[in-house]
Amino acid sequence: GEDVEQSLFLSVREGDSSVINCTYTDSSSTYLYWYKQEPGAGLQLLTYIFSNMDMKQDQRLTVLLNKKDKHLSLRIADTQTGDSAIYFCAERGYSSASKIIFGSGTRLSIRP
Amino acid sequence: GAVVSQHPSRVICKSGTSVKIECRSLDFQATTMFWYRQFPKKSLMLMATSNEGSKATYEQGVEKDKFLINHASLTLSTLTVTSAHPEDSSFYICSASPWDSSYEQYFGPGTRLTVT
Repeated sequence: GEDVEQSLFLSVREGDSSVINCTYTDSSSTYLYWYKQEPGAGLQLLTYIFSNMDMKQDQRLTVLLNKKDKHLSLRIADTQTGDSAIYFCAERGYSSASKIIFGSGTRLSIRP
Repeated sequence: GAVVSQHPSRVICKSGTSVKIECRSLDFQATTMFWYRQFPKKSLMLMATSNEGSKATYEQGVEKDKFLINHASLTLSTLTVTSAHPEDSSFYICSASPWDSSYEQYFGPGTRLTVT
């Protein structure tokens, strides 16, 4: 079945760039997402990318997609303490009936 | 835009009682809403998909008689945990997809349920 994998933890110095990586197995994935979850809160949709795109940039966020390797990354430039959270990678097929499949989440911690 | 609310944010109930959680899309109409359960330090587990005006589709292993889902309007879905037990204690999160962009899914803030 479909699977989405992420590393569990990432520690970054404040001001540096954070790169969170994700791999997925479903070759029919059409939409790929990054969500942010702060403690005790729901998920915030940060950005998404269509499978026919290689890159999407939105302010400090850059998403790179390597469809051949089924690899997705999220780069956060100039990481701040407010970026501390769990980041979930997710994917979905084309059909509106497709479920979103989530990764296990990467906990990003910022050190001074 | 694209705000989803949940009520209540926290609830404590006694074993054997039922509790209802509401999920509302505040500024868009959602033909499809989803209910997830999240265990501590774990990812989200999809429980069911709720379509307005029809029966919910439950994931394998989720008891439909225990977790009653109603999607009465394009902006409201409810999850009722019936005869709650301590093992039902969890963080329940709903999400909703706008009718005109089904690939987008917006999440509510979650409801922390504690069964004593």
